[in-house]
Amino acid sequence: GQSLEQPSEVTAVEGAIVQINCTYQTSGFYGLSWYQQHDGGAPTFLSYNALDGLEETGRFSSFLSRSDSYGYLLLQELQMKDSASYFCAVRGRSGANNLFFGTGTRLTVIP
Amino acid sequence: EPEVTQTPSHQVTQMGQEVILRCVPISNHLYFYWYRQILGQKVEFLVSFYNNEISEKSEIFDDQFSVERPDGSNFTLKIRSTKLEDSAMYFCASSGTSGGAYEQYFGPGTRLTVT
Repeated sequence: GQSLEQPSEVTAVEGAIVQINCTYQTSGFYGLSWYQQHDGGAPTFLSYNALDGLEETGRFSSFLSRSDSYGYLLLQELQMKDSASYFCAVRGRSGANNLFFGTGTRLTVIP
Repeated sequence: EPEVTQTPSHQVTQMGQEVILRCVPISNHLYFYWYRQILGQKVEFLVSFYNNEISEKSEIFDDQFSVERPDGSNFTLKIRSTKLEDSAMYFCASSGTSGGAYEQYFGPGTRLTVT
């Protein structure tokens, strides 16, 4: 089966940088995705890592280390609108197209 | 920009009643999914659908649940006899290709309240 662990809450100051970690245990690994969810909203796709290293998309970057079964999402130049829950997710198994989500990290950005 | 739509936004039903949740996926997408999220918890996979049949389902998706694509645009989730524990936000999602399953587009959700 799959297990993904994230910190439950993170608080950071507007303009700062924050890192949200995700450690995973899976029977097979086919990439790590990150989704953002505002309160009352739908999850929206942020980034995906299939290989080790850093992927950058604007203010957001995502990192993966397959040997450590670990990834993180890095948010730079934090804005108040970044306050949301962030979920890491993996595919269910080889050839499957369902996502298995982590426990989620609630980010609060303060002035 | 294309988006996934869901109706209704909120459904209140009594325990034991049947409910049908409706979704219109993005038009050129091939893979469709239902997920649920109990308040304050993580998003949980229910079922995926491709080529007019179920391709994956979770242990949550028991005989009380069914999915259907009745026409070329709609995708429905039916719960035959609702239980109190079915109260949750139900999200429909779609993706373009199997290889792109990591990037799924979610609808705004239907909040199901079972009383």
